[in-house]
Amino acid sequence: GAVVSQHPSWVICKSGTSVKIECRSLDFQATTMFWYRQFPKQSLMLMATSNEGSKATYEQGVEKDKFLINHASLTLSTLTVTSAHPEDSSFYICSARDTKGQGLQGTGELFFGEGSRLTVL
Amino acid sequence: AQSVSQHNHHVILSEAASLELGCNYSYGGTVNLFWYVQYPGQHLQLLLKYFSGDPLVKGIKGFEAEFIKSKFSFNLRKPSVQWSDTAEYFCAAGASNAGNMLTFGGGTRLMVKP
Repeated sequence: GAVVSQHPSWVICKSGTSVKIECRSLDFQATTMFWYRQFPKQSLMLMATSNEGSKATYEQGVEKDKFLINHASLTLSTLTVTSAHPEDSSFYICSARDTKGQGLQGTGELFFGEGSRLTVL
Repeated sequence: AQSVSQHNHHVILSEAASLELGCNYSYGGTVNLFWYVQYPGQHLQLLLKYFSGDPLVKGIKGFEAEFIKSKFSFNLRKPSVQWSDTAEYFCAAGASNAGNMLTFGGGTRLMVKP
């Protein structure tokens, strides 16, 4: 099946630094990728929709300047947490759908990355 | 506002017990419904989905879910759970005209005792 890979899987950084998380679709192209955040013992929260070649669409309450999203190619989207603070510590997950509808044609199945755990000290 | 709620946050069952996890959604229009499972240390995986047609949907690993429109529900069921079903289960909903943007429920952590 389709594979979405995230890197790094775990990162620890100091407060005030910026961290970049990559999301790659390994065997398919994705014009749209999604970034989620999962707090401990809570559900996934959609942060933003990443669109290849255009600006990301952010959900209400998500700071655009803090969570920079770049979707430079059909296989790569990056999330940069700028000036990270301890409250940004979380599990970040991306997902993507094959633009050609591989997997389950037209069903909206998303393929999820394995997640990236960010710890800000 | 769109929302998905899962009634049970934590469920503990013995092997061979039957399982039903509740999911209710709130959406204004036509909705697509999904159940995802996240095994410990693994990716989210799709268990089953409902778009239209037969409201009783069968998924992988013996799971099924029933869409009851009048109750805005999409409960997940399995007649006999196994230890390997220990995982976290997420119900999700998306408007049919909103691409793949999904709203997730809070998740239910299932522990099956051997």
